[in-house]
Amino acid sequence: GAVVSQHPSWVICKSGTSVKIECRSLDFQATTMFWYRQFPKKSLMLMATSNEGSKATYEQGVEKDKFLINHASLTLSTLTVTSAHPEDSSFYICSATPGLADNEQFFGPGTRLTVL
Amino acid sequence: QKEVEQDPGPLSVPEGAIVSLNCTYSNSAFQYFMWYRQYSRKGPELLMYTYSSGNKEDGRFTAQVDKSSKYISLFIRDSQPSDSATYLCAMSATGTASKLTFGTGTRLQVTL
Repeated sequence: GAVVSQHPSWVICKSGTSVKIECRSLDFQATTMFWYRQFPKKSLMLMATSNEGSKATYEQGVEKDKFLINHASLTLSTLTVTSAHPEDSSFYICSATPGLADNEQFFGPGTRLTVL
Repeated sequence: QKEVEQDPGPLSVPEGAIVSLNCTYSNSAFQYFMWYRQYSRKGPELLMYTYSSGNKEDGRFTAQVDKSSKYISLFIRDSQPSDSATYLCAMSATGTASKLTFGTGTRLQVTL
């Protein structure tokens, strides 16, 4: 099956710093990538949808200036958490899809962010 | 009311048991129904998906969708310890490659 990687797998940072998380589709071109956030024992919550070469579409309640998403190529999307605070600590998961309506979304392994 | 409700468990069953996992939903626009399996600290992997109502079987797994009741189920036959994971239902109005709305996940433990 298709493989999606995320880097880093975990990161610890100080409050006020910015953190960049990469999501890569390794063996297919991803016209669309999604970024999710997952709290312990909670469901995955969609944060934003990004299409290659376009601005990301953010879900209601997600601060676009805080969570910067860039989908610069068909295999790479990045999520930057700017001025991170402890409440931003979470598990961030991306998914990627070739984009046809009934294609599968392939999920990355996730990135655990801890803000001290 | 959440769009998708799922009993978080945990659910503990002995090896060989039949497991029933369920979700209810409120959004009538949902047409695509998926079940994902997620191991600890890993991303979800798709087990099965069903379009509209009906049953779908794949090996030990059977997915059922009852749109009239807004209720979906996943059955696991002859459960194995390797089935121990969190199972998430997910739904979409426009396709499996589109925005997905997830349940909270049910944690399953299959014991020897």
